[in-house]
Amino acid sequence: DIQMTQSPSTLSASVGDRVTITCRASQSITNWLAWYQQKPGKAPKLLIYKASSLKSGVPSRFSGSGSGTEFTLTISSLQPDDFATYYCQQYNTYTWTFGQGTKVEIK
Amino acid sequence: QVQLVQSGAEVKKPGSSVKVSCQASGGTFSSYAISWVRQAPGQGLDWMGGIIPVFGTTIYAQKFQGRVTITTDESTRTTYMELSSLRFEDTAVYYCVTSDDGHSGAYPDAFDIWGQGTMVTVSS
Repeated sequence: DIQMTQSPSTLSASVGDRVTITCRASQSITNWLAWYQQKPGKAPKLLIYKASSLKSGVPSRFSGSGSGTEFTLTISSLQPDDFATYYCQQYNTYTWTFGQGTKVEIK
Repeated sequence: QVQLVQSGAEVKKPGSSVKVSCQASGGTFSSYAISWVRQAPGQGLDWMGGIIPVFGTTIYAQKFQGRVTITTDESTRTTYMELSSLRFEDTAVYYCVTSDDGHSGAYPDAFDIWGQGTMVTVSS
């Protein structure tokens, strides 16, 4: 199975900060990479698909980039509603795998 | 847009089985490849398996192979996930998920539709 590794595991930031989360795949997944946001007690929400495509309704401060094995999720100006846990997920094959998550905390 | 509604919370004994349901509303049921993802308390997301309608097959993650069974009942638009030989570490929230693109699983896709989750507690 393809392993997904996120970094950092926890990130402390302030409102207005630019935030970057990295996700690495154990082998090339082309651009079959999604990013999700999860808040406590809620189901995850899809933010980005195909590495850089913004899901309809998701604020434009979220962006994704990368291909092959290295990907990033960037929040250009962190807002109070963005404090949450973020997961990457590969869907290159019919065995989906997730990263371990990055918790974005208030500094 | 398809919506997924899951059955309620369960408490089970170690060694027993649990069967969680997921009913789809909206769209053409056979157009959706429904998977199951679980999340243990304070932990990350784990894909367990899913149905691929276009191929008429069900696939399972190696980690759960032999313990999980995913089935569907098209007459009620319901997908079921049954997990057997329950252990304490199976305590988790179980989600059914799918892509709203409705391509019957012709290709792997991100999950933009999630059920509300079902808490399964394994306790003696």
